Amino acid sequence: DAGVTQSPTHLIKTRGQHVTLRCSPISGHKSVSWYQQVLGQGPQFIFQYYEKEERGRGNFPDRFSARQFPNYSSELNVNALLLGDSALYLCASSVRAVRSGGQETQYFGPGTRLLVL
Amino acid sequence: AQKITQTQPGMFVQEKEAVTLDCTYDTSDPSYGLFWYKQPSSGEMIFLIYQGSYDQQNATEGRYSLNFQKARKSANLVISASQLGDSAMYFCAMRGPSNDYKLSFGAGTTVTVRA
Repeated sequence: DAGVTQSPTHLIKTRGQHVTLRCSPISGHKSVSWYQQVLGQGPQFIFQYYEKEERGRGNFPDRFSARQFPNYSSELNVNALLLGDSALYLCASSVRAVRSGGQETQYFGPGTRLLVL
Repeated sequence: AQKITQTQPGMFVQEKEAVTLDCTYDTSDPSYGLFWYKQPSSGEMIFLIYQGSYDQQNATEGRYSLNFQKARKSANLVISASQLGDSAMYFCAMRGPSNDYKLSFGAGTTVTVRA
């Protein structure tokens, strides 16, 4: 089975520009989460969507927005890019997994590396 | 608020030996889940093992086992018989009660396996 896919893999933007990152979940997974991972740190939660509804939002400014489509794929949008937005953006889809005692478990994609100049 | 602490920034281990990665957490919720992920240089986070707060037994998954000490709020990962392919960043993460689905991650520990 295909894992979580993300596009693009790498992106270079300049300050003030806008960026759209895309994510396709594992088949059958209805929930998608987005995380930002700055170099040398652990991932920080940005958003989670379930069945096209926002289920959670992290401590990020309104420049960050997301949506989920009927096929459960998702987009993360960032407006007015700042240098500090340079990071690895990870998408995860989740399902209740046997390996986790039936608890919801997140499976991650390879990420999109965003560099803001 | 939930907090995960990983105090070891980097560790070296000889091939075929075991290594223990420390993780302590802080939460006031009685119901939570603890996860360990592996992140190779490629960037993808790979799910390794899960421990629920109400689980009576320590989780095991192949060469990975979790030393769960609830009273001390620690969930250390043990990798046995280390292989060169185990060289990666390892993250401990926690999910809160059933209505809080986000993962809170620690800062990670880099493991380097030497031949």
